[in-house]
Amino acid sequence: AQSVTQLGSHVSVSEGALVLLRCNYSSSVPPYLFWYVQYPNQGLQLLLKYTSAATLVKGINGFEAEFKKSETSFHLTKPSAHMSDAAEYFCAVISSGGSEKLVFGKGTKLTVNP
Amino acid sequence: NAGVTQTPKFRVLKTGQSMTLLCAQDMNHEYMYWYRQDPGMGLRLIHYSVGEGTTAKGEVPDGYNVSRLKKQNFLLGLESAAPSQTSVYFCASSYKPYQVPNTEAFFGQGTRLTVV
Repeated sequence: AQSVTQLGSHVSVSEGALVLLRCNYSSSVPPYLFWYVQYPNQGLQLLLKYTSAATLVKGINGFEAEFKKSETSFHLTKPSAHMSDAAEYFCAVISSGGSEKLVFGKGTKLTVNP
Repeated sequence: NAGVTQTPKFRVLKTGQSMTLLCAQDMNHEYMYWYRQDPGMGLRLIHYSVGEGTTAKGEVPDGYNVSRLKKQNFLLGLESAAPSQTSVYFCASSYKPYQVPNTEAFFGQGTRLTVV
């Protein structure tokens, strides 16, 4: 069964610093991978998705992620953090050949310090 | 275009009471999901449906039942609520994965349920 592991439940950066949120996946077949963001007391919003078209995926709000099959990773990055990026971020995976259900990691809470 | 709508947004139940959460989507999506979100646990899949009239168990199905009688609606039922079911519940819907490019899931705003 597919799964994702997010390394670090909390990440703290300074405004203007690089943001790096880590996600590793487990799947026996080529997966679709997603990053979602959740602002306080809100639902989940899609940041970006990997669907095998390109390994470097650009999303909204300046975020991007690179699919690395050799490392089974899909880390999320942003060159320069903004205060408005403070939120919780979830990596998710869906893969074919079975139930095709969408499974989430445990989330990483990003704090941006002034 | 309303997207995914969850009803109600908040609810307080007494232990042993029953209730039904309604999820409605207007995007003609085949797949629908119910998740619960608890601090430090991420989103855990309760049940999901791959089409009208179908349901399947997720990671944490015990204590919940679901029905998908109409394509646009996915109901989550708690027959006898327990304090352990205090959580935020999210519904999501998507097209069938791997068949269309826009395969991401769209989420409702959540239902905050407290069982006392």
